[in-house]
Amino acid sequence: AQSVTQLDSQVPVFEEAPVELRCNYSSSVSVYLFWYVQYPNQGLQLLLKYLSGSTLVKGINGFEAEFNKSQTSFHLRKPSVHISDTAEYFCAVADTGRRALTFGSGTRLQVQP
Amino acid sequence: GAGVSQSPSNKVTEKGKDVELRCDPISGHTALYWYRQSLGQGLEFLIYFQGNSAPDKSGLPSDRFSAERTGGSVSTLTIQRTQQEDSAVYLCASRGNTGELFFGEGSRLTVL
Repeated sequence: AQSVTQLDSQVPVFEEAPVELRCNYSSSVSVYLFWYVQYPNQGLQLLLKYLSGSTLVKGINGFEAEFNKSQTSFHLRKPSVHISDTAEYFCAVADTGRRALTFGSGTRLQVQP
Repeated sequence: GAGVSQSPSNKVTEKGKDVELRCDPISGHTALYWYRQSLGQGLEFLIYFQGNSAPDKSGLPSDRFSAERTGGSVSTLTIQRTQQEDSAVYLCASRGNTGELFFGEGSRLTVL
């Protein structure tokens, strides 16, 4: 079984500042890793995913994440945030066999002017 | 349709009543998932259908919850004898060949 820990429930940040949203996972098998974003009153949208290959993954809206197997982490980063990035961000993991995603509890990113 | 469609978008019911939530996945997607999102919580896995294989029901919280998928397409999640703790947003997702899950907008259930 897998588990996902998002260490920060809320992250306030000023516009144009950099941000990192932390995600750690635990699994005894190989995994796929995902970040999803949920804007207010909307469904979840995929930001980026790691399936294999390069450990640095680039996604939509200028976000990127780095898979670190030794630290079992998949932190999400953006060098300069916008007001429109205010949303809930979910990290998720799936073992390569089972395919059902296990989600973290989410991090609310609040971008302030 | 182009995306995952869920209905109803909002459902208010009385404690003890049964409810049915519907999910229409993206055409051609063989995998379908149900998740539950409670206020301030992450997403809780409920059940997973893959093609004609037996569903993975390991996330269903009690025997009051059941789901079926007819003809490999539309799925219905049924909650019998609803309780207040069942109040949540129920999200459906389908998956294609890329591994990405596409989510619907969810069905918000309120049990009074």
